[in-house]
Amino acid sequence: QLQLQESGPGLVKPSETLSLTCTVSGGSISSSSYYWGWIRQPPGKGLEWIGSIYYSGSTYYNPSLKSRVTISVDTSKNQFSLKLSSVTAADTAVYYCARLRVDYYGYGYYFDYWGQGTLVTVSS
Amino acid sequence: NFMLTQPHSVSESPGKTVTISCTRSSGSIASNYVQWYQQRPGSAPTTVIYEDNQRPSGVPDRFSGSIDSSSNSASLTISGLKTEDEADYYCQSYDSSNAVFGGGTKLTVL
Repeated sequence: QLQLQESGPGLVKPSETLSLTCTVSGGSISSSSYYWGWIRQPPGKGLEWIGSIYYSGSTYYNPSLKSRVTISVDTSKNQFSLKLSSVTAADTAVYYCARLRVDYYGYGYYFDYWGQGTLVTVSS
Repeated sequence: NFMLTQPHSVSESPGKTVTISCTRSSGSIASNYVQWYQQRPGSAPTTVIYEDNQRPSGVPDRFSGSIDSSSNSASLTISGLKTEDEADYYCQSYDSSNAVFGGGTKLTVL
């Protein structure tokens, strides 16, 4: 059974960089059938897609966050990571990592496995 | 990019049927698959519908999905409502690997 587990600091200071890692177990991150993505959910609010990455390193980012986001992949460790720079209180959220299936055209389209999520609070 | 608009909340009685809509702001709803996720408090989302109308294994057939090109919207229908269906529901689609979520609908079963 595929499992995804987020890890990283639960508290980040304003203006600093938020860094999270997602460790994938029970399957290979190098599969050509999947993208790997990050989604966040501020307390009491809805889901927001942050970005996605293919095992080759190809990335897609939410245009509203693109200037601050970097997603990378480490196939040797079966992990992918998120960096969000210049954080503010508005970046306080539960951050989820997830697997995306790839459609016929090669687009990541459907989040079929999710991590449990990790709360990151931005505060001094 | 486009937006997906859902009603903020819906409510219905146990045993009844409820439909939650998801309207795409631009581009055809039929051009990219629509998924529906259920999220209970304190838990990660889980899929109830993928590829417009497909149910993952383990999801009861009380859950169904459809799309309507005339209204450019997708719908999630839950029949025979149970109290355990009370949750937040999110639609999701994409455009060239850019994923988009609807704002979510809180379903109350009372």
